[in-house]
Parts: sequence; C-alpha cells; structure tokens
Amino acid sequence: QVTLKESGPVLVKPTETLTLTCTVSGFSLSNARMGVSWIRQPPGKALEWLAHIFSNDEKSYSTSLKSSLTISKDTSKSQVVLTMTNMDPVDTATYYCVRIRRDTGWYYFDYWGQGTLITVSS
Amino acid sequence: DIQMTQSPSSLSASVGDRVTITCRASQSISSYLNWYQQKPGKAPNLLIYAASSLQSGVPSRFSGSGSGTDFTLTISILQPEDFATYYCQQSYSAPWTFGQGTKVEIK
Repeated sequence: QVTLKESGPVLVKPTETLTLTCTVSGFSLSNARMGVSWIRQPPGKALEWLAHIFSNDEKSYSTSLKSSLTISKDTSKSQVVLTMTNMDPVDTATYYCVRIRRDTGWYYFDYWGQGTLITVSS
Repeated sequence: DIQMTQSPSSLSASVGDRVTITCRASQSISSYLNWYQQKPGKAPNLLIYAASSLQSGVPSRFSGSGSGTDFTLTISILQPEDFATYYCQQSYSAPWTFGQGTKVEIK
C-alpha cells in the first residue's frame, strides 16, 4: 500500500525557513519509475507545483520560487525534504507530498499525501 | 513557463447531464496532459493521464481527449459524487503547471 505523509510545523513566522518532510511507504525512492513532488494550495485557490526529485537526484523547481526552494531525499529513510526560505503570509497553504509515476515517458501524480496546512503569521 | 487555462471556471449541472471541461495550453504539449478531481477538504485524485488514458479504478463515465494545445475532460452522465473541482496539469516540460480549476456545482 502506497502512502505519503507530510510532517512539519503548523505555524511559521514571516522571514523564517520552513522545513517539510515527506515519509513514503509502499515504494522506494530508488525506483527509477517514481519520483516525488511538492504541491501547495492556498485556501480557496488553485494547485501550485513547487518542486520534484527523482531517483537519480534529478531536480526541478517552480520558476517563481526557485531561489527559495531546496528539495532533497534520503533514500535509506524513505524521506523527501523541502525547505523554503524567507516565508511570507502569502505562503500560507496546504502543502502536499505527491508521488510521480514515470510510465513509458508519461509523468503523472498518482498518489497524494493528506496534506499539511502551514500558516505564516507573526 | 507553460500556462494552462481552463474553461469555464465554474458550471452548474444536474445529475445525469453530460459535462465538458476545456483546458488550453499556451504552447503545444503533445499529449502530456493530466486531469485531477478534488473534493472539499481532500487531496486531488488522478482521473486521466496522457490526455486520454483512464487511471485504474476511475469510472468509465470520465474520458479525456485532445492533443497539442486543446484538451477536453468529459463526464458522460454526471453522478452526485462528481460534484467537485477539476484541474488539468501539463507534464510536457518543467516547471509543471496546473490550470486554475473548474468547479462543478449542483444546479
């Protein structure tokens, strides 16, 4: 059974750094056919893709947030970590950890974590 | 970045109706287009990948079509559990991007 679970602080102050951890089970981060993305959704708004990482350590970032994001993985712990620096109230959102399926050249998000609401406020 | 534009932003429909949602990409994305359904307070759920491939376990009343820049999600016979928000997403090139969503409401 595939599961992804996000963990991290629920409240962050402006200018602080957010560190989110995604712990996965049911698949390995060394599987070349899988990757992990972080996606967020401000209250009442649309989904926004943030970053992804694959087994070969290939990474990609949102253009608008590239300077503030870092994604990494620890395959032995089955964890993917996202850090976001200089948090702002506009970054208040539900953050999802999501599995990417790489299937004969196609990429899609097939399993989602439950999401964690991060509030940025002083 | 590739921009994804959905239309309409919202629609009202009745159970049993045929519903069509459109997604347009700002440049050609071949068939690298996925559709997701999201219900309030829940994570999104994959419906369609590669523009027209039905994800395992998804009812056959959902279908997708299109290639290049124009895509469509169709619900052939709307069911009560289909009232939700639908998002398209391109995986042609990073950064991957989503449409703004289409909310399907009860008429």
